[in-house]
Amino acid sequence: GESVGLHLPTLSVQEGDNSIINCAYSNSASDYFIWYKQESGKGPQFIIDIRSNMDKRQGQRVTVLLNKTVKHLSLQIAATQPGDSAVYFCAESLNGGFKTIFGAGTRLFVKA
Amino acid sequence: DSGVTQTPKHLITATGQRVTLRCSPRSGDLSVYWYQQSLDQGLQFLIQYYNGEERAKGNILERFSAQQFPDLHSELNLSSLELGDSALYFCASSVGSGRTNEQFFGPGTRLTVL
Repeated sequence: GESVGLHLPTLSVQEGDNSIINCAYSNSASDYFIWYKQESGKGPQFIIDIRSNMDKRQGQRVTVLLNKTVKHLSLQIAATQPGDSAVYFCAESLNGGFKTIFGAGTRLFVKA
Repeated sequence: DSGVTQTPKHLITATGQRVTLRCSPRSGDLSVYWYQQSLDQGLQFLIQYYNGEERAKGNILERFSAQQFPDLHSELNLSSLELGDSALYFCASSVGSGRTNEQFFGPGTRLTVL
């Protein structure tokens, strides 16, 4: 597959463990955040989103935490599986703006 | 499979040339977005169209242009190509035009400029 971001930060976890992927966003006025997953050779795929009036949101096996004080997002994946191996991006946008700004991404390796 | 199709999958061309990338959105989606993904810049938003009209512009060079046709497919035209234009180009689509509409990404077109 295609290589995306050969020099990305990497997180390696054991299958079944929980994963935590972190992201620092850039604009304190951003009020909407998204996590994307990108598997090798594919386009990004929406995982979960959160608005700035929340500090936590849960999906299926995933939880996003937002700390506006330090401009930090995290994505927690429970019981990580080999199929979770991918690059994960956070993205931010602000009200009145049309542009979504993507972070550099973190590569997650899941060891079987 | 996201339902968004892009052609071609790979494109190899020379500096100074012009290419056209094509995108068909998911059935029912009115918005189309174009993104560039390179190793050093990450994913960059280029431009958005909604129902045939330009909706938002990002970091799109003047050498690049796009349009959305009445059947809602979109084309991204890249001209006077430079080595630095080598990248993955993604198209995404969504139902509405707002930033909180979930975007569905196509598989991308890999452009190599030699």
